[in-house]
Amino acid sequence: QVQLVDSGGGLVKPGGSLRLSCVASGFIFSDYYMTWIRQAPGQGLDWLSYISSTGDTIHYSDSVRGRFSVSRDNAKNSLFLQMDSLRAEDTAVYYCVRDFGGSEAFWGQGTVVTVSS
Amino acid sequence: QSVLTQPPSVSAAPGQKVTISCSGSSSNIGNNYVAWYQQLPGTAPKLLIYDTDKRPSGIPARFSGSKSGTSATLAITGLQTGDEADYYCGTWDTSLSVVWVFGGGTKLTVL
Repeated sequence: QVQLVDSGGGLVKPGGSLRLSCVASGFIFSDYYMTWIRQAPGQGLDWLSYISSTGDTIHYSDSVRGRFSVSRDNAKNSLFLQMDSLRAEDTAVYYCVRDFGGSEAFWGQGTVVTVSS
Repeated sequence: QSVLTQPPSVSAAPGQKVTISCSGSSSNIGNNYVAWYQQLPGTAPKLLIYDTDKRPSGIPARFSGSKSGTSATLAITGLQTGDEADYYCGTWDTSLSVVWVFGGGTKLTVL
């Protein structure tokens, strides 16, 4: 069955870095564009980035452009989000999503990132 | 402040119909497809509607989407207590760069 397993979250100090991973199984990962979404505690959804199926097209939200970097390794069915210069307002649950906005949308279970001193 | 505007809350009785509005502009809803997501408490969001008015497999016909100009609407008929959740609209926005934007979410209460 389709699975997206998010990992890599944790507690980090302001200014620090984290690398999130999302491992896919149960479908042909290289056929799909992928998206990172986050949700801060008690808040709404926040779109972060998009990466095409081949990785040659990438978009970022204004809030993370220049600090976060998305990448993928289709040979390892993996999606990554490198997060640098983290701020308290980056505290959230981070989700990877397949085919976000499309008919085959599927969400990972999320990984929690807490930025605090 | 969300780019798309949704009412913070709506409510209706079981069996009734409710609509949730999502207002945007020509750079987003006016020229792009809209998606709707349902988020039950403590769970990841689930896609309800894509391409403005299409339902993924497994989503009941009680849920429908539509768009007129720069506004979109999610309608839910035959309300059930299990529909009590947060609902989000979203679409691409191409005003300055290509980004996906969400509404702030609407809390549906089934009385």
